[in-house]
Amino acid sequence: GAGVSQSPSNKVTEKGKDVELRCDPISGHTALYWYRQSLGQGLEFLIYFQGNSAPDKSGLPSDRFSAERTGGSVSTLTIQRTQQEDSAVYLCASSLGGPTQETQYFGPGTRLLVL
Amino acid sequence: GDSVTQMEGPVTLSEEAFLTINCTYTATGYPSLFWYVQYPGEGLQLLLKATKADDKGSNKGFEATYRKETTSFHLEKGSVQVSDSAVYFCALTPLFNYGGSQGNLIFGKGTKLSVKP
Repeated sequence: GAGVSQSPSNKVTEKGKDVELRCDPISGHTALYWYRQSLGQGLEFLIYFQGNSAPDKSGLPSDRFSAERTGGSVSTLTIQRTQQEDSAVYLCASSLGGPTQETQYFGPGTRLLVL
Repeated sequence: GDSVTQMEGPVTLSEEAFLTINCTYTATGYPSLFWYVQYPGEGLQLLLKATKADDKGSNKGFEATYRKETTSFHLEKGSVQVSDSAVYFCALTPLFNYGGSQGNLIFGKGTKLSVKP
């Protein structure tokens, strides 16, 4: 079946602009995660959605970052007033959810470059 | 907080050599442990996992055993191939105090493996 998809695959923006990154999880997966992969910091957790529960935002690096998940499916990660240090690959993952369904399936990522 | 430490790379081996990539962790309780692999130009994919102490995860000739005594989850393969060239990430899912999974993954920095023919 279809895997996790993300769009756009690449995004170049100017410092100070806002960007939106989209993630389509695997159908039926109730849990959705955003991570960031950068050369300096490796893979960092950003935010986690599980069903209708309040999201775990503990990994968001600043209040410029936000995410929402509409209808328990598609998610959008928004970065406001982008900075050069936001340049990274943003990865989305989904899982079936619940305490025993822990395997996360990753999308191909969105490569963000802030000039 | 919880953390994962894995050996620095890059690691360069000849085909058919034995591979070990060390991974140790610091965590509350006994989290599930994972190895993810990222092949060139591709996304992260799960290689293997172990959910409790003494479990052995295995896939594609790779193995890792959950060692609670040494808080380790070293990745091994008896005979590597050129196609195994990739970046390997060790990871865990941290637990709440009551033992439930927090859900997110904490990753090590990654180890780049290059296998020469």
